[in-house]
Amino acid sequence: GEDVEQSLFLSVREGDSSVINCTYTDSSSTYLYWYKQEPGAGLQLLTYIFSNMDMKQDQRLTVLLNKKDKHLSLRIADTQTGDSAIYFCAEGSSGGSYIPTFGRGTSLIVHP
Amino acid sequence: KAGVTQTPRYLIKTRGQQVTLSCSPISGHRSVSWYQQTPGQGLQFLFEYFSETQRNKGNFPGRFSGRQFSNSRSEMNVSTLELGDSALYLCASSPTGGAEGSPLHFGNGTRLTVT
Repeated sequence: GEDVEQSLFLSVREGDSSVINCTYTDSSSTYLYWYKQEPGAGLQLLTYIFSNMDMKQDQRLTVLLNKKDKHLSLRIADTQTGDSAIYFCAEGSSGGSYIPTFGRGTSLIVHP
Repeated sequence: KAGVTQTPRYLIKTRGQQVTLSCSPISGHRSVSWYQQTPGQGLQFLFEYFSETQRNKGNFPGRFSGRQFSNSRSEMNVSTLELGDSALYLCASSPTGGAEGSPLHFGNGTRLTVT
């Protein structure tokens, strides 16, 4: 079955760039999503990328997709303490069950 | 547009009781999914409803059930509560289902504590 893997923790200093990585196994993945979860809240959609794209940039966020290696990354430039949260990667497949598969989330801790 | 609304935000129940959680999706969204989130298991898919029909189901026991109404609002029910059911229950809506470029939009969840 499909699987999405993420490292569990990432710690960075305020002002540095953060890179959160994700790998997936389903070669038919069509859409790949990044969500952010702050304490006590639900998941907020940050951005998503189609599988026929290599990169997508949205202000401080850059998503890179290596389809050959099934590797997705989210880069946050000039990381702020407000970026501290759990980041989830998810993938969805065309013609599949309509249900995206989520990774277990990466806890990003930003030190002042 | 109003976001996904879940009620109540917090619930405390005792073992053996049952509980009903409610979710109002974004207007126009026909798909509603439910997830259980715990520190140990992460985000676990419970079920998905589309146009009042359960279209997908996760690997949870029959004590977990749900339904969707004609206005797309959804409820989930957990009967005979166990301590292990303590979790954050998240509802998410999307126009068509969340996987084919129709991203899920999540509510803030219901925190259920079973004592």
